Amino acid sequence: EVQLLESGGGLVQPGGSLRLSCEASGFSFSTHHMNWVRQAPGKGLEWVAAISDTGAGTYYADSVWGRFTISRDNSKNTLFLQMNSLRAEDTALYYCVKEVIVQQKFDHWGQGILVTVSS
Amino acid sequence: IQMTQSPSSLSASLGDSVTITCRASETVDSYLNWYQQKPGKAPKLLIYLASTLQTGVPSRFSGSGSGTEFTLTISSLQPEDYGTYYCQQSFTTPFFFGPGTKVDIK
Repeated sequence: EVQLLESGGGLVQPGGSLRLSCEASGFSFSTHHMNWVRQAPGKGLEWVAAISDTGAGTYYADSVWGRFTISRDNSKNTLFLQMNSLRAEDTALYYCVKEVIVQQKFDHWGQGILVTVSS
Repeated sequence: IQMTQSPSSLSASLGDSVTITCRASETVDSYLNWYQQKPGKAPKLLIYLASTLQTGVPSRFSGSGSGTEFTLTISSLQPEDYGTYYCQQSFTTPFFFGPGTKVDIK
């Protein structure tokens, strides 16, 4: 069974930093692209970032480019999102999402981890 | 590539056929996914590559379209089909989602 378990969320002040982790199990982590998708309270889904299976390719939404960094450790089946210079508008539930490369589909989602940016 | 959806919300009766439309600002070929999200839950993949049903999804869900215009149809609305439905293009990054269509059961 595929499991994606996010951690590292919480309350942070504007301008602060936070590092999210996503521990994956139940599938071959090193052969799948991975993504972060967020959802602000009461709002729709916003794709944040993606990383290729090897980690060589990374992609970002304009809204987080230069502030967030996606990375992975395939030896530990773990995905990361380093978030710097956080803003109030980054407040959201952050989902770790597994991607199937050939069909380009997001087939498994974590339960989400809440990040709140507030003073 | 920007995504739009219509309607933004709808209310339908059990057994009704429901159609949601998704449009892309430029072609996404057939790289279009549909998700269902219920309150307090993570999204669930329903359809990928515009018309392929994800394993385990009931056959009353179907998708069609290519290029810039797509539809999701629920052929006979069931009580468990409430929620918000999102389209998403996966043709190229950024993988934008549509704004969502909220489906209520009358």
